[in-house]
Amino acid sequence: NAGVTQTPKFRILKIGQSMTLQCTQDMNHNYMYWYRQDPGMGLKLIYYSVGAGITDKGEVPNGYNVSRSTTEDFPLRLELAAPSQTSVYFCASTPQGNSPLHFGNGTRLTVT
Amino acid sequence: EDKVVQSPLSLVVHEGDTVTLNCSYEVTNFRSLLWYKQEKKAPTFLFMLTSSGIEKKSGRLSSILDKKELFSILNITATQTGDSAIYLCAVLKWNNNDMRFGAGTRLTVKP
Repeated sequence: NAGVTQTPKFRILKIGQSMTLQCTQDMNHNYMYWYRQDPGMGLKLIYYSVGAGITDKGEVPNGYNVSRSTTEDFPLRLELAAPSQTSVYFCASTPQGNSPLHFGNGTRLTVT
Repeated sequence: EDKVVQSPLSLVVHEGDTVTLNCSYEVTNFRSLLWYKQEKKAPTFLFMLTSSGIEKKSGRLSSILDKKELFSILNITATQTGDSAIYLCAVLKWNNNDMRFGAGTRLTVKP
């Protein structure tokens, strides 16, 4: 039972490079979320999706893009990496509106 | 602007102590409040609170919501070193299930 799987676990990027953080879930959940967590700052919502083909901005969407072509996958794209995007990124999913999130184990990204 | 504020931000206690963690919120379209525990990796779910005044309990942990005063508390009795973690409070909104988190309380339990 894999749950929410994020890859890679760690990544170092140079300023200006691009990359995609992968997130997939095998629980057939409709709702998926991307958060970033900076030290002492809790979790900030980047983007979320309530179903395939639908995405919405969260609190801190600038510098990121997402897509939701299937129920299972919700990749997060960084086009021009900046040091301010150094963070731990968590993907999460939930089956329906009023239920807890299931989190992946996170991707630690460093931009230098 | 929506706010979820947790206090204290950091807390150090000794095994056996009782602790109370606080979460206050100001959000539009409030639906539910959730508590998570985060050790080294992903947050894990503890409680979801939707109605005022109804205590949720799991072992030594309990939580309650006050929708009039817009806050929730998480109590941990007879703390153990395994309770050391960051405790996160989150508020779920009605519109599109936007979930906003507080900064967290870092609890350290010393032997």
